[in-house]
Amino acid sequence: DAGVTQSPTHLIKTRGQQVTLRCSPKSGHDTVSWYQQALGQGPQFIFQYYEEEERQRGNFPDRFSGHQFPNYSSELNVNALLLGDSALYLCASSLRLAGGQVRVTQYFGPGTRLLVL
Amino acid sequence: GESVGLHLPTLSVQEGDNSIINCAYSNSASDYFIWYKQESGKGPQFIIDIRSNMDKRQGQRVTVLLNKTVKHLSLQIAATQPGDSAVYFCAVQGAGNNRKLIWGLGTSLGVNP
Repeated sequence: DAGVTQSPTHLIKTRGQQVTLRCSPKSGHDTVSWYQQALGQGPQFIFQYYEEEERQRGNFPDRFSGHQFPNYSSELNVNALLLGDSALYLCASSLRLAGGQVRVTQYFGPGTRLLVL
Repeated sequence: GESVGLHLPTLSVQEGDNSIINCAYSNSASDYFIWYKQESGKGPQFIIDIRSNMDKRQGQRVTVLLNKTVKHLSLQIAATQPGDSAVYFCAVQGAGNNRKLIWGLGTSLGVNP
């Protein structure tokens, strides 16, 4: 039973560039959430995808966008990169229960470490 | 806005001793609480959770205590082992329509042999 996988593991970009990060959820999970974790901080919620739509969003600018595919995998896109976007980007998957309520117990991938120079 | 905080950024214990990590939250309507463990270079790993209709829940070597009166929860680790060294986060689910998890800053636990 594969857990949450993310790619790439590490990435170096320069200011102004665009980046795409990828995530495959745990087998059987249908909801994907993305987090940004700066060094020494707790994860900050970016957004959550379910049924290929963004369902919730944290306090992040429109430069951060995402997508979910029919197989439940997801992408996080960041445009016009800033130095402050350097962080560990975590993907977490969970299962939405009947009736629409999501189990908030989330399973995390290892993350993608992004460095913006 | 809602916030989650921890009392100590670092904690150092002797191997075999019990560890207690604390967390405070601001929204009295929060109804679901989770503890995660994050080892260096890895994503957070679920440890244990508790709902607001309980005040104590036990797992293997771990116990979570919830005090809704003072909006405080704690994670107790019995017989702490070197493998328990990690950063521990509490995460609190917002109430009502806001179901996002709000995370604390984390406590770094070090275990001395």
